[in-house]
Amino acid sequence: QITLKESGPTLVKPTQTLTLTCTFSGFSLKTSGVGVGWIRQPPGKALEWLALVYWNDDKRYSPSLKTRLTISKDPFKNQVVLTMTNMDPVDTATYYCAHVSPVCFHHWGQGTLVTVSS
Amino acid sequence: QSVLTQPPSVSAAPGQKVTISCSGSSSNIGNNYVSWYQQLPGTAPKLLIYENNKRPSGIPDRFSGSKSGTSATLDIAGLQTGDEADYYCGTWDNTLSGFVFGTGTKVTVL
Repeated sequence: QITLKESGPTLVKPTQTLTLTCTFSGFSLKTSGVGVGWIRQPPGKALEWLALVYWNDDKRYSPSLKTRLTISKDPFKNQVVLTMTNMDPVDTATYYCAHVSPVCFHHWGQGTLVTVSS
Repeated sequence: QSVLTQPPSVSAAPGQKVTISCSGSSSNIGNNYVSWYQQLPGTAPKLLIYENNKRPSGIPDRFSGSKSGTSATLDIAGLQTGDEADYYCGTWDNTLSGFVFGTGTKVTVL
């Protein structure tokens, strides 16, 4: 059974850096073709893909957010970390991580709501 | 603005069929697999269809997907009240070199 869970702060101040951790089980990030991605959803709005990292450390980022995002993996801890710099109130959203194989989000975490406010 | 366009809403009576369209271009739908996601109110999205028309284990065959050219379609047959949700299409975009989601469609059961 594949499970994923997001963790991190629920409230960040403008200009701060957000660090989110995705802890997963039921699959390995050492398996060919497997990846973990991050997606966010502002309240009442559509899904927006942010970044993903594959088993071979191939990393892809949303072009519109590329300068602010960093994704990294620790396959031994079964974790993937996403950092987003210079947070703004418009970044308030529920952030999801998901299992990717190979370009499709098969399993999703429950999501974590991050509010950006001073 | 998303590069994949969906109708904002569709509706039908219980037992009827709804069709949700997803319009893209040659840089995305035209040359890549499409997936569909269901998001029930207050919950995380769930994969419904992958590789254009395949259903993950546990997804009823009332849900079916297809693709033609630069558009994709999700059909929901035998509509149930439990199908009321937001539905998103998604695919890789070769020009953007990233994954893109559709604008989302709200399904209402009358």
